Amino acid sequence: EMQLLESGGGLVQPGGSLRLSCAASGFTFDTYAMNWVRQVPGKGLEFVSSININGVTTFYSPSVRGRFTISRDNSQNTVYLQMNSLRDEDAALYYCAKDLFATGGSYFDLWGQGTLVTVSS
Amino acid sequence: DIVLTQSPATLSLSPGERATLSCRASQNIYDLLAWYQLRPGQAPRLLIYDASNRATAIPARFSGSGSGTDFTLTIDSLEPDDFAVYFCQQRSNWPRTFGPGTKVDIK
Repeated sequence: EMQLLESGGGLVQPGGSLRLSCAASGFTFDTYAMNWVRQVPGKGLEFVSSININGVTTFYSPSVRGRFTISRDNSQNTVYLQMNSLRDEDAALYYCAKDLFATGGSYFDLWGQGTLVTVSS
Repeated sequence: DIVLTQSPATLSLSPGERATLSCRASQNIYDLLAWYQLRPGQAPRLLIYDASNRATAIPARFSGSGSGTDFTLTIDSLEPDDFAVYFCQQRSNWPRTFGPGTKVDIK
C-alpha cells in the first residue's frame, strides 16, 4: 500500500525553525517528484514547495521562498522541509504529497495525513 | 498568480442527486486543472487531472470537463461518502494555486 507519513510538526515561536519529514513507502520513491502543501484549519489549500526526482530542481511559493528549503534523500525514501524564520501566517497543517509526474508541482495523487505546525509566542 | 474561483460555495443535495461544481480561472490555463476531494480527518484525494482524466481508482460517477478558464466537476448520483469539500487546482503557472473549495453537504 502506498503511504506517506509526515512528522516534525509542533509549537514554535515566531522566528523559530522546524524541520518536517515525510517517509514514503509502497512506491518507487525516486521516480516521482514530491511536494509540500499546507492548509490553515478551516481554510483552503496552499502549495508550498516541490522537488524533482533527483533533488536538483525545486520550486517555492513566494510566501516561503528564502525561508523554507525542500530536500530529499532517495536512499531513505524521505522528503524534508526545513522551515526557518517562521511567522504567524505559517501556522497550518502541512501535507506531504506525491507528484503524479517526475518533474514536480503538477498534480498530487497521494497525500499524507499532515503534521500540524503552530507558531505562537 | 492565477486565481481560481469556485462556485457555489456550498451545494446542498440529497443522496442520488447530481452535483455540478464550477471552477473559473483568472486566465487561460488550457486543460491543466485538477479536482480534489477533502473529507474531515482524511487526506485529500485526487479525483480528476488535466481537466477530464479520472485518477486511479476513482469511480466513473466523477467526471470533469472544460478548458481555458471554465471547468466543471460533475458527480452523478451522490453517495454518502461524496459529501465533502472539493477543491480545484491549476498547474499552468507558478505558483500552483487552489480554489477556495465547494462544500457539498446533505440537504
